[in-house]
Amino acid sequence: DTEVTQTPKHLVMGMTNKKSLKCEQHMGHRAMYWYKQKAKKPPELMFVYSYEKLSINESVPSRFSPECPNSSLLNLHLHALQPEDSALYLCASSQYRDRVEKLFFGSGTQLSVL
Amino acid sequence: AQKVTQAQTEISVVEKEDVTLDCVYETRDTTYYLFWYKQPPSGELVFLIRRNSFDEQNEISGRYSWNFQKSTSSFNFTITASQVVDSAVYFCALSEAGSGGYQKVTFGTGTKLQVIP
Repeated sequence: DTEVTQTPKHLVMGMTNKKSLKCEQHMGHRAMYWYKQKAKKPPELMFVYSYEKLSINESVPSRFSPECPNSSLLNLHLHALQPEDSALYLCASSQYRDRVEKLFFGSGTQLSVL
Repeated sequence: AQKVTQAQTEISVVEKEDVTLDCVYETRDTTYYLFWYKQPPSGELVFLIRRNSFDEQNEISGRYSWNFQKSTSSFNFTITASQVVDSAVYFCALSEAGSGGYQKVTFGTGTKLQVIP
């Protein structure tokens, strides 16, 4: 199983809503990542988790709150988002955080904030 | 600081033509890694190749080939006999070893390839 699964695939939310994005992998990878990708732009790193602990927060606003309940799951909790937060949110994993190796990406959640 | 430049924003080719996607990078490190990822319309980025800075051998995988030249800081990607399924956005990326204790990948801006039947 070499998949990273993300749900939902599409999400529309208002600025006062609270929603969560979910990411799951069963490859035994110990590093998991959240990326944000605006249209026609490259992915931008948001968070890095290593061994279920938050390693890196790339100065992301607090309205984005990551959570790693176990080694297979990664969530991104959303609250009071702004329209400019509309983007494709990609989850990725790699075997280890501190080695340079390929990333396995999910197909993303396309988020629209109204 | 590391930087990846993909000067070609969009390329259109007719099926069966060969196409080369350009990638130029900047880094101060002597040890670094270069990647190519493919992003089809479905959204997920798919890993194609990783090359470290000490390995300048060109690589061929089926219809795909990569030309790594440290002298010009380039890592170009060629698709031979392109097919419609090759239509996607292709990202070149750079990662420096041990940068801050985690793998931070710098992506280029991507090249959108359209293969016309």
